[in-house]
Amino acid sequence: QSALTQPASVSGSPGQSITISCTGTSSDVGNYKLVSWYQQHPGKAPKVIIYEDNKRPSGISTRFSGSKSGNTASLTISGLQAADEADYYCCSYAGSREFVFGGGTKVTVL
Amino acid sequence: QVTLRESGPALVKPTQTLTLTCTCSGFSLNSDGMCMNWIRQPPGKALEWLARIDWDDAKFYSPSLKTRLTISKDTSKNQVVLTMTNMDPVDTATYYCARIVRGMTISYFDSWGQGALVTVSS
Repeated sequence: QSALTQPASVSGSPGQSITISCTGTSSDVGNYKLVSWYQQHPGKAPKVIIYEDNKRPSGISTRFSGSKSGNTASLTISGLQAADEADYYCCSYAGSREFVFGGGTKVTVL
Repeated sequence: QVTLRESGPALVKPTQTLTLTCTCSGFSLNSDGMCMNWIRQPPGKALEWLARIDWDDAKFYSPSLKTRLTISKDTSKNQVVLTMTNMDPVDTATYYCARIVRGMTISYFDSWGQGALVTVSS
């Protein structure tokens, strides 16, 4: 059982927006501005798409955005594209536990 | 160009010790802020952080696996090594090494290896 809670699956049609939630506690998500999000295509390594709650690394599309309220972080993908179909994982720094991950969310483009 | 490459046995028997190596290129493990991590992912399941070693040789472990893990680095070879004792079939997973470049804070995994699938079976 993962430390952070994500929905198992989210789906949307091309062009739509979807949001993935990531719920932790006041010891991880709510205590640090250090939530990151990773995209993982089948058989591939994860790739960071959001860091420090809402920052995008160079080269990541502006269609990906991150936010946080209290102990829940969110990833929004706007203008959904076929290439966005993948698994998405949230991760938070957690002090003495170092890093904790969510259980992952499978995004399906209908 | 930063590259990370994991290597090690594809199959280990229960109770054996696993040794995995991450060979790094494009940067030096000794450079300020370089933090190397091991993360694993059982087939079809979520990511799990295991251990971290920093440029200054500070080491950190998952509390649930701490007694079984040892992380070290060989700066002459620019390699990071993870050993995990008493392997069990539930440890079957793809093991990734991943880098953090620490700035003002310990932030995110910016580079990942391709992963090494380790199966634990007799």
